[in-house]
Amino acid sequence: SSELTQDPAVSVALGQTVRITCQGDSLRSYYASWYQQKPGQAPVLVIYGKNNRPSGIPDRFSGSSSGNTASLTITGAQAEDEADYYCNSRDSSGNHLNWVFGGGTKLTVL
Amino acid sequence: EVQLVESGGGLVKPGGSLRLSCAASGFTFSSYSMNWVRQAPGKGLEWVSSISSSSSYIYYADSVKGRFTISRDNAKNSLYLQMNSLRAEDTAVYYCARSVCTNGVCYFDYWGQGTLVTVSS
Repeated sequence: SSELTQDPAVSVALGQTVRITCQGDSLRSYYASWYQQKPGQAPVLVIYGKNNRPSGIPDRFSGSSSGNTASLTITGAQAEDEADYYCNSRDSSGNHLNWVFGGGTKLTVL
Repeated sequence: EVQLVESGGGLVKPGGSLRLSCAASGFTFSSYSMNWVRQAPGKGLEWVSSISSSSSYIYYADSVKGRFTISRDNAKNSLYLQMNSLRAEDTAVYYCARSVCTNGVCYFDYWGQGTLVTVSS
């Protein structure tokens, strides 16, 4: 099965811009989706497709993709953005369609 | 409002069995694929299993294949996960999640709050 690779931890100064990346072969075939998870809470979808935000997600969150790499960008990071972020995509390797998650990136807002 | 509510978690001995349920409301359950995703304590998310809207397509992660069985009852708006031959490494919070796939764009748009499964003697 495919794997998605994320940096374990990233930090950003309050109000600055941060990019979180996700690499994997499956991203050549499928868009990544991105999830925010705060301690003790369920994951929340923040970006899906080329660059789509669900209702209620601030427009400081954006997504992009190139080749085997997907990126989540937070422009003007806020204290409430401190969380774990996971990328995800379908996995077309093998005979069936599974799903794969990245290992997660812990974002610290300084 | 879409709601997914998991139940059935608890403490079970290694080798034991447990059945998780997920009650769905606020949407046409029979129109969506559903999934189980788990998270071991302090670890990342791991996809466990998926079932299509009419149960025609079912997929499992290699880590649970042959031990777990996913099913659904569209009349009851419910998703299930039968877990057999449980191991310590199956200890995790298990989330029920709705998925959408349209024109190659796939994602989990709604998640339940999760139910904790602990496998220990």
